[in-house]
Amino acid sequence: DQQVKQNSPSLSVQEGRISILNCDYTNSMFDYFLWYKKYPAEGPTFLISISSIKDKNEDGRFTVFLNKSAKHLSLHIVPSQPGDSAVYFCAASGQGGSEKLVFGKGMKLTVNP
Amino acid sequence: KAGVTQTPRYLIKTRGQQVTLSCSPISGHRSVSWYQQTPGQGLQFLFEYFSETQRNKGNFPGRFSGRQFSNSRSEMNVSTLELGDSALYLCASKFSGWADTQYFGPGTRLTVL
Repeated sequence: DQQVKQNSPSLSVQEGRISILNCDYTNSMFDYFLWYKKYPAEGPTFLISISSIKDKNEDGRFTVFLNKSAKHLSLHIVPSQPGDSAVYFCAASGQGGSEKLVFGKGMKLTVNP
Repeated sequence: KAGVTQTPRYLIKTRGQQVTLSCSPISGHRSVSWYQQTPGQGLQFLFEYFSETQRNKGNFPGRFSGRQFSNSRSEMNVSTLELGDSALYLCASKFSGWADTQYFGPGTRLTVL
């Protein structure tokens, strides 16, 4: 049973526009969320994270929003650049000794010049 | 500081064989986790080792096992290989705590014929 869901397998946007990547989760025990980016033939690279005590976290062009009541988070990339083209994974984990990360299946973002 | 390294990068085996994959974490990192990535299932957590002890385990059969050495290097073993074990196996290391960022290696691409 998929506890972290990325329902859209792909997204295509124009350079300079906003990219919005969505993620839903079902386990209410999750309280720490991360986004990773993966290029072909490389391991995932950490992008940004958010704790459940926050509803927004920014790092440069990347902002993650968390809606706990809806069990939904999103990653906004503004402005999008061709180098952002990659597969993005949403991941979640819980505290209290449960340290494994549960990943979504990933979403392929293509930013067109 | 050198990143997470995994050897070998590519491996071809036949059904019924066994395989051992190796992971060297970032210097100072004491936690090593292993993940399996397949197109259909995305990234799935196998297990985590910390200070030579398995700290967390995913939902994989006993054919998948691992260990960690005193220098934090880790190995993963898969016995009696099946066609469905063909995947990218990723290793990730972090310092120790639940909120520490995981850094991934490039992965080992295993093909089972």
